[in-house]
Amino acid sequence: AQSVTQLGSHVSVSEGALVLLRCNYSSSVPPYLFWYVQYPNQGLQLLLKYTSAATLVKGINGFEAEFKKSETSFHLTKPSAHMSDAAEYFCAVSEGTGANNLFFGTGTRLTVIP
Amino acid sequence: GAVVSQHPSRVICKSGTSVKIECRSLDFQATTMFWYRQFPKQSLMLMATSNEGSKATYEQGVEKDKFLINHASLTLSTLTVTSAHPEDSSFYICSARDGSRTDNEQFFGPGTRLTVL
Repeated sequence: AQSVTQLGSHVSVSEGALVLLRCNYSSSVPPYLFWYVQYPNQGLQLLLKYTSAATLVKGINGFEAEFKKSETSFHLTKPSAHMSDAAEYFCAVSEGTGANNLFFGTGTRLTVIP
Repeated sequence: GAVVSQHPSRVICKSGTSVKIECRSLDFQATTMFWYRQFPKQSLMLMATSNEGSKATYEQGVEKDKFLINHASLTLSTLTVTSAHPEDSSFYICSARDGSRTDNEQFFGPGTRLTVL
């Protein structure tokens, strides 16, 4: 069965500092992995996704994530935080082509300190 | 492309009434749609999965008679909260999968804030 663990429910960084949001997954088959961002009272917006192509995935707004099979991780990074990055971030996993469900982590709230 | 809309964005109703929430895929055919519920400061909880023309599949613990889901066309799914009570107050989010894609990505609607008085 799939599951996702996001370490750290809250992360605070200074504006301009590195952002690192952690995500570890478990899956019995090669996974598809996603990072979504949610702003207050809004739906989820896709930041990036891994679907078995390049292990380093670049997304929108300067974010990227690296799929590391040996570590079962898919951590999200951004070199320099911006105030507008403050939001809730969700990592999700789904198993293989055609699988319906996404399994979400519990989310990480990112605060950016000016 | 790949836009999902939800209506209404906010609804306030009295206890005992029913509320219908619509989820539409605007520029693609959504073979599968999902309904999630999100409590404050928590993750998304999948309530049910619906395939066009079929009965919805509900997750364990979700009352199918309470949360009626209809997916009558490839662009529209509805969630009806029947006989709503204050504990049903929550943020409801729908998502949709594009049947022509194989990457399992779900496209999310903007959510509906339901408040039951």
